[in-house]
Amino acid sequence: KAGVTQTPRYLIKTRGQQVTLSCSPISGHRSVSWYQQTPGQGLQFLFEYFSETQRNKGNFPGRFSGRQFSNSRSEMNVSTLELGDSALYLCASSLWGDRGRVDTQYFGPGTRLTVL
Amino acid sequence: AQKITQTQPGMFVQEKEAVTLDCTYDTSDPSYGLFWYKQPSSGEMIFLIYQGSYDQQNATEGRYSLNFQKARKSANLVISASQLGDSAMYFCAMREGDNQGGKLIFGQGTELSVKP
Repeated sequence: KAGVTQTPRYLIKTRGQQVTLSCSPISGHRSVSWYQQTPGQGLQFLFEYFSETQRNKGNFPGRFSGRQFSNSRSEMNVSTLELGDSALYLCASSLWGDRGRVDTQYFGPGTRLTVL
Repeated sequence: AQKITQTQPGMFVQEKEAVTLDCTYDTSDPSYGLFWYKQPSSGEMIFLIYQGSYDQQNATEGRYSLNFQKARKSANLVISASQLGDSAMYFCAMREGDNQGGKLIFGQGTELSVKP
């Protein structure tokens, strides 16, 4: 079974631009979560989507948004990029992400975003 | 307050020896899950092992075992017979409760270096 895929793998943007990152979960997985990883802040939860609905949101400004499609694929968008948005963005999928049940999240290779 | 604490920023171990990576957590929720992930320099997060708060026995997966001490709120990862390919960052993570969906809280990580 194919793992989680993320595109693009690398991206260079300038301040003020916007960017869209894509994530395809493992086949059959319905929950997709996004994380930002930086040397200073470590790994931080951005948001989670389940059945096309945002179910959980981390403490990030409104410039960070996402969506999920009916095939469970997800995209995240960052508008008005800032230098501090330079990071590795990781997507993870899980089978259910079910309340009351802890299931494992499997991560993709990440998209490394550099903002100049 | 830190929910997940990894007190060892870096560790060295001789090839074929065992090593323990420390993780303590803080939660008031009786239902939670603890995870360990490995992140090589390529960036992808690789799932290693999972321990549920209600699990009676310590989790094991091949050369990985989790030393779960609930009263002390610790979930240390033990890697037996270290290999050169084990050199990587290791992250401890927690999912709290029944209402957090796919949100994982990560520690700051421990960088493990295996010496030949």
